[in-house]
Amino acid sequence: DVKVTQSSRYLVKRTGEKVFLECVQDMDHENMFWYRQDPGLGLRLIYFSYDVKMKEKGDIPEGYSVSREKKERFSLILESASTNQTSMYLCASNTGTPFTDTQYFGPGTRLTVL
Amino acid sequence: TQLLEQSPQFLSIQEGENLTVYCNSSSVFSSLQWYRQEPGEGPVLLVTVVTGGEVKKLKRLTFQFGDARKDSSLHITAAQPGDTGLYLCAGLLPGTYKYIFGTGTRLKVLA
Repeated sequence: DVKVTQSSRYLVKRTGEKVFLECVQDMDHENMFWYRQDPGLGLRLIYFSYDVKMKEKGDIPEGYSVSREKKERFSLILESASTNQTSMYLCASNTGTPFTDTQYFGPGTRLTVL
Repeated sequence: TQLLEQSPQFLSIQEGENLTVYCNSSSVFSSLQWYRQEPGEGPVLLVTVVTGGEVKKLKRLTFQFGDARKDSSLHITAAQPGDTGLYLCAGLLPGTYKYIFGTGTRLKVLA
C-alpha cells in the first residue's frame, strides 16, 4: 500500500514562529504536493514538486516555501507564521502518469497559529 | 483562478434515499476525479473519468463526466450511513500536473 506520512497531526505555534511541516512517501513517486484545506474553499494548492530540487508555485504560495532534497521527502516551511495560516495542511504524491494518476494523501496536519 | 463549484455544499438524508452531487466549472479539464474524505484522514480516490460523456459505476455510485469536460456529477443510489463523508471533485488542468479541487459536499446519511 502507498503510504504518505506527515510529521504531526496537530501543531500549535505562535505568530512569527518559523514552522516546518514534513511529508514522506514510500512509493518512489515523482510528484509531491502541498495543499491547505479550509471549509467552503476545498483544497488549494500551495506548491508542488515534480522532481528533487524542482518546485513550482501553486495558487497560494505567499508566506510559504518548500524544500525537496530527497525524492521521498517534501517539506513545507512557514517563514513567519501568521494567524491566517491556521488551517489543515495536506500532503499528496503521485507518479505523474498523465490523465489518470491517483493522488495519495497523507492524514493531514491541523495547524493553529495563535 | 480556475474554480470548481460543487453543489450542494451540505446534504443530510435518510438511509435508502438517492442523491446527486454536482461539480461545475467554466474550464476544460483533461480528466476529473472524485475523492471521499473522512474526518481526520486525507481524501481517498473513488474514480477518475477521462473522456467527455464517460459514465463509470462503482457499486451504488455512478459518476458522469460532461460532454464538454467542464462538469461532472456523482449519483448515489440507496445511500447508507457508510457513505457519510466529504466528497471532493478535482479537475486536471490540460498540459499540467495541477489539480483544481472543488469546494466540497459534506454528506450525512442518517440510519
